[in-house]
Amino acid sequence: EAGVTQSPTHLIKTRGQQATLRCSPISGHTSVYWYQQALGLGLQFLLWYDEGEERNRGNFPPRFSGRQFPNYSSELNVNALELEDSALYLCASSPGGGQPQHFGDGTRLSIL
Amino acid sequence: GQQLNQSPQSMFIQEGEDVSMNCTSSSIFNTWLWYKQDPGEGPVLLIALYKAGELTSNGRLTAQFGITRKDSFLNISASIPSDVGIYFCAGQMLNTGANSKLTFGKGITLSVRP
Repeated sequence: EAGVTQSPTHLIKTRGQQATLRCSPISGHTSVYWYQQALGLGLQFLLWYDEGEERNRGNFPPRFSGRQFPNYSSELNVNALELEDSALYLCASSPGGGQPQHFGDGTRLSIL
Repeated sequence: GQQLNQSPQSMFIQEGEDVSMNCTSSSIFNTWLWYKQDPGEGPVLLIALYKAGELTSNGRLTAQFGITRKDSFLNISASIPSDVGIYFCAGQMLNTGANSKLTFGKGITLSVRP
């Protein structure tokens, strides 16, 4: 069974640009979660999508947004990039019903 | 935002030794999870705990869900070099609508000397 896949692996942008990160969940999983792992800050919850709807968001500004498609894959968009947005962005999926989240290997976003 | 407490930041042990890691929180959770992250990879689920007092094993790993629901520990027995990595605890409040997110500790970096 294929795990959670994320693309691209690395993304280099400059300040003010926009970034789009993609995630394909494990087959059969309907919930997708996004986390930011910045150096020294640990993993911070960003967004949760389930059945195409945003269910919860973490303490991040509105320029972090996303969506979930009918096939349950998801996109994270970050607008007006700032230097402090440099981090590893991790996507996780779960089938819901209290089952644990499983993570992809992340997209490393670097802002120059 | 809220974060779980994991300390120390780093641990150094000899191959073959047992090691125990603790995770504490100021709030209760109804699910505790332990993940391991290797360099360049995402966190991999090691053990999930769903009931206060529950003790669960996965090979050489044993984890417990604290009775107060505010803590958990992970024990690794007979450590081997591939146990090297960052160990994260995570708490979750399931069945509470919007609160399905995971709250993580900052992780403990484990080094194993051969």
